[in-house]
Amino acid sequence: LAKTTQPISMDSYEGQEVNITCSHNNIATNDYITWYQQFPSQGPRFIIQGYKTKVTNEVASLFIPADRKSSTLSLPRVSLSDTAVYYCLFSGAGSYQLTFGKGTKLSVIP
Amino acid sequence: EAGVAQSPRYKIIEKRQSVAFWCNPISGHATLYWYQQILGQGPKLLIQFQNNGVVDDSQLPKDRFSAERLKGVDSTLKIQPAKLEDSAVYLCASSSGLQETQYFGPGTRLLVL
Repeated sequence: LAKTTQPISMDSYEGQEVNITCSHNNIATNDYITWYQQFPSQGPRFIIQGYKTKVTNEVASLFIPADRKSSTLSLPRVSLSDTAVYYCLFSGAGSYQLTFGKGTKLSVIP
Repeated sequence: EAGVAQSPRYKIIEKRQSVAFWCNPISGHATLYWYQQILGQGPKLLIQFQNNGVVDDSQLPKDRFSAERLKGVDSTLKIQPAKLEDSAVYLCASSSGLQETQYFGPGTRLLVL
């Protein structure tokens, strides 16, 4: 199964930009990189997905270098409500299932 | 648009008892997934349906777990008999297709005593 490596936890103050990096050395050519967010007592929620370079939506940006062996989720100006676990995973042709790692627990401090 | 519905939200049983969980996916979503999430870990896929057929059940402990989606809409996941290590949150998700974004329900928290 495809594996990803992320920091176990991160702390940040409100208003700061947070970057969470994920390594995925064995990503396949057809795999997309996807990030999910999970709050306590809730199911994961899709944040963003990308294949290469940069993708931006209303909540986050995703940076993927040319070799695609890592990716960085960027959350601009975090607030207390961004405190959650963030999962990096990938899916694509031939790997319909999502394989979650342990995720990164982000704690936003006032 | 209504999200993925799951029931019950909480369940406490004793080991060796049986339990069933229900999931109603987003209307029109052909693909349905059941995940198990043990405290402190990421969700682990148990079984995946495309309409009423099984796409992947390689990580489903088939000696005690079963799941069905008879009419290709809602689904049930059953554990019989339950073990202490089955204590977890059981998440249901659905998507419009096999490689599309998955939408998760709130989960059912199971405690086996």
